[in-house]
Amino acid sequence: GDSVTQMEGPVTLSEEAFLTINCTYTATGYPSLFWYVQYPGEGLQLLLKATKADDKGSNKGFEATYRKETTSFHLEKGSVQVSDSAVYFCALSDEGSARQLTFGSGTQLTVLP
Amino acid sequence: DAGVIQSPRHEVTEMGQEVTLRCKPISGHNSLFWYRQTMMRGLELLIYFNNNVPIDDSGMPEDRFSAKMPNASFSTLKIQPSEPRDSAVYFCASRTNGGSYEQYFGPGTRLTVT
Repeated sequence: GDSVTQMEGPVTLSEEAFLTINCTYTATGYPSLFWYVQYPGEGLQLLLKATKADDKGSNKGFEATYRKETTSFHLEKGSVQVSDSAVYFCALSDEGSARQLTFGSGTQLTVLP
Repeated sequence: DAGVIQSPRHEVTEMGQEVTLRCKPISGHNSLFWYRQTMMRGLELLIYFNNNVPIDDSGMPEDRFSAKMPNASFSTLKIQPSEPRDSAVYFCASRTNGGSYEQYFGPGTRLTVT
């Protein structure tokens, strides 16, 4: 079955540091890949997505590239801000799972001023 | 555009009481999902509707939980009777059936059962 493995947290960084959160996946078909962000007390928000190999999703300074050869979709940001503090979830949607979302366990990011 | 709307945002109830959570999906979306989030178990899919029909309810924990979608713009998740272990944040999400199949989440209902 489908699965998503993401870097365990919590991750603590200083403002303006470089961020990488690793995400690898297993899927039976050709999945779409997503990063969702959850701010404290809120629901999950779609941060970015990629639908095919070598696509790069980007939003709000965050980027992730769909790497089929390594089955990865790592999230990066060049300079984090305090306001980026949140939980980040990697997810996939695959025909094999009837296009439901399969989520990773989430990574808590705290950015200190 | 209005996103997914959930009510109430917070619910505190006593064990044994009936609880009803409500969701209005994004207009035009075909599928609706109910999730539960806890620290211990993370994010769990409870049930999934497509065109108002329940497709997969394998995540519903037990018979105390039931969900309905009487029309395309409204769904309920009911717990009867409620127990302290049901305390969690319950999310509703919706999507269209096409494209990249991303889901859009509501703000959640925080349920506390005492």
